[in-house]
This record gives sequence, C-alpha cells and structure tokens, in this order.
Amino acid sequence: AQSVTQLDSQVPVFEEAPVELRCNYSSSVSVYLFWYVQYPNQGLQLLLKYLSGSTLVKGINGFEAEFNKSQTSFHLRKPSVHISDTAEYFCAVSPVGAAGNKLTFGGGTRVLVKP
Amino acid sequence: DAMVIQNPRYQVTQFGKPVTLSCSQTLNHNVMYWYQQKSSQAPKLLFHYYDKDFNNEADTPDNFQSRRPNTSFCFLDIRSPGLGDAAMYLCATSRPPSRGLAGGPRTDTQYFGPGTRLTVL
Repeated sequence: AQSVTQLDSQVPVFEEAPVELRCNYSSSVSVYLFWYVQYPNQGLQLLLKYLSGSTLVKGINGFEAEFNKSQTSFHLRKPSVHISDTAEYFCAVSPVGAAGNKLTFGGGTRVLVKP
Repeated sequence: DAMVIQNPRYQVTQFGKPVTLSCSQTLNHNVMYWYQQKSSQAPKLLFHYYDKDFNNEADTPDNFQSRRPNTSFCFLDIRSPGLGDAAMYLCATSRPPSRGLAGGPRTDTQYFGPGTRLTVL
C-alpha cells in the first residue's frame, strides 16, 4: 500500500514570490509521482509527473518538481507565483506496473496568492 | 477537443432518493474511474472499470454502484444517499498501463472531468 503526506495544508504567498509545496510518500514498491492542481469547483488538472529518468521534472504553468528517492519526497516549486495560481494542489502516487493506474492522493495544499 | 464530461455539474437529491451521475469521454480510454472528494479532503477512489471489468475498492460502501454500458459512458448510482454522501464526485479516464518506446515505463496519466457536486437534503 502507498501513503502520501503533504506537510502543509495551507500556504499563503505574495504575488511574484517563490513557493514550495512539500510532498513525502511511503511505499513498499516503486511508484510514479504526480502533482495535480484543482481550481475552485473544477476537476483535477495534471501539472507534472515523474516516471523515470531525470529527477527534475518541469510541468505546465512554470511549475517544477524534484524527485528525491532517498528522502521519498517530490516537492513542487514555482519561482514566481501569480494570482491565478491560487488553487489546491494534490500530490499523488501510483505503483509501477499496476493495472489501471490506481492513484493515492495526499491531503492537498491550499495555495492562496496575495497581491 | 477530446475531453471528459460530467453531467450534471450540480445535483441536489433528497435523503434516501436514488441518484445517478453521468460521465462520458471522447478520449477512447479503456479505463474509467470514479472518485469521491469530500470538502477539504483528497479524492478517494471508489471503483474503476478496465474495459468491462469492474474493480471495486474494498472500502467502497454497497450503496455505491456503477455501470459502463460502452467505452464512452460510465454511471455512478447511489442507491440511498445519506447526508454523509454529499461530496464532489470526480470521473477520470486513462489508457491502460503500456510500455513506451524501448520498453520504457508505463505511462497512464489520468484525465479528470470537472466533477459533479452532490447535495443531499
């Protein structure tokens, strides 16, 4: 079984400041890692994913994340946020090779960008 | 544009009155999922279909059922909604796990619909 912990439930940040959202996971098998964003009253949109290869992954909207296997972390970063980045962000994992790609989500981090 | 569509976006039902939520997709994906997301919580997988094969999560209540009449459509039936079933219900689709070029990792990103927010009175 897998579990995902997002250490911050809320992150307030000023516009144009950097932001880091922390994600740690636990799994007895290798996993794929994902970050999704959810805007109010909408579904989830994929920001980026790590499958293999380079541990630094670049996604949409200027986000990037770094996979650290020894620390079982997959932190999300953006060097300069916009008001439009206000949303909830979910880290998720799925076990490698699992039929149907079953995702386990963290509890979410709500980002509030202030002008 | 290829997409995942959920209808209705907002559904109000009465305590104990059966309700059906609908999901359709134009992505031609083999796998379809239903998630329940309660307020300020992470989405929780209820079940998924791999083609016509139904896979129920162990802790999904019997009150929740699903039907997939064809590749494009999947329905979530709540037989007797309780107040605790008020939530956002998310549908997602993906291709089945398959190796990329040169035997690379299986890629199976899930694509989500906008969700249906269910209110139980």
